[in-house]
Amino acid sequence: AQSVSQHNHHVILSEAASLELGCNYSYGGTVNLFWYVQYPGQHLQLLLKYFSGDPLVKGIKGFEAEFIKSKFSFNLRKPSVQWSDTAEYFCAVFFNQAGTALIFGKGTTLSVSS
Amino acid sequence: SQTIHQWPATLVQPVGSPLSLECTVEGTSNPNLYWYRQAAGRGLQLLFYSVGIGQISSEVPQNLSASRPQDRQFILSSKKLLLSDSGFYLCAWSVGRADGYTFGSGTRLTVV
Repeated sequence: AQSVSQHNHHVILSEAASLELGCNYSYGGTVNLFWYVQYPGQHLQLLLKYFSGDPLVKGIKGFEAEFIKSKFSFNLRKPSVQWSDTAEYFCAVFFNQAGTALIFGKGTTLSVSS
Repeated sequence: SQTIHQWPATLVQPVGSPLSLECTVEGTSNPNLYWYRQAAGRGLQLLFYSVGIGQISSEVPQNLSASRPQDRQFILSSKKLLLSDSGFYLCAWSVGRADGYTFGSGTRLTVV
């Protein structure tokens, strides 16, 4: 069965620290990849997405993600986090060959202290 | 521009009572519609999706059902709620199933 794994349940960082959140998916042919963010009390919002082309994708608010096909990974990065990045982050995958809808990881809670 | 409305925002219902959560999308035609349930530490679980009026696909067998009586309306229902139905329910829409989804603000359901 198709699945999406996020390795870190809760990450705690100080402001200006670098961030990397892991996301791996099960093998399933070609995929469309997404990162969503949910700020406290707000809707889920799309951070960035990858369909094809350059495997390094840039999103909003200084976030980027790299698709490594050989590792079935799509890790989210930010060079320097801010207190306002405190949120829950979800990786999501659409498996093109047999997909019905986006499959989400369990999420990573990021807490940034000022 | 497209908007998605979901209501109510919160709901407290007794065990055994019926449920109806409504989701509507404005500003687009023939959207793909989805119901997810979000639980702490468990991510988002796909419950139902619909590619058109009257077309409903269920991903997880459970005490819930969905209907799409109009192009931009998606309803999540239950005849008799269970305690385990408590959770945060999210509606979403997309142009294509492989595209990014836009989520509603969610309904916090507590079954007591």
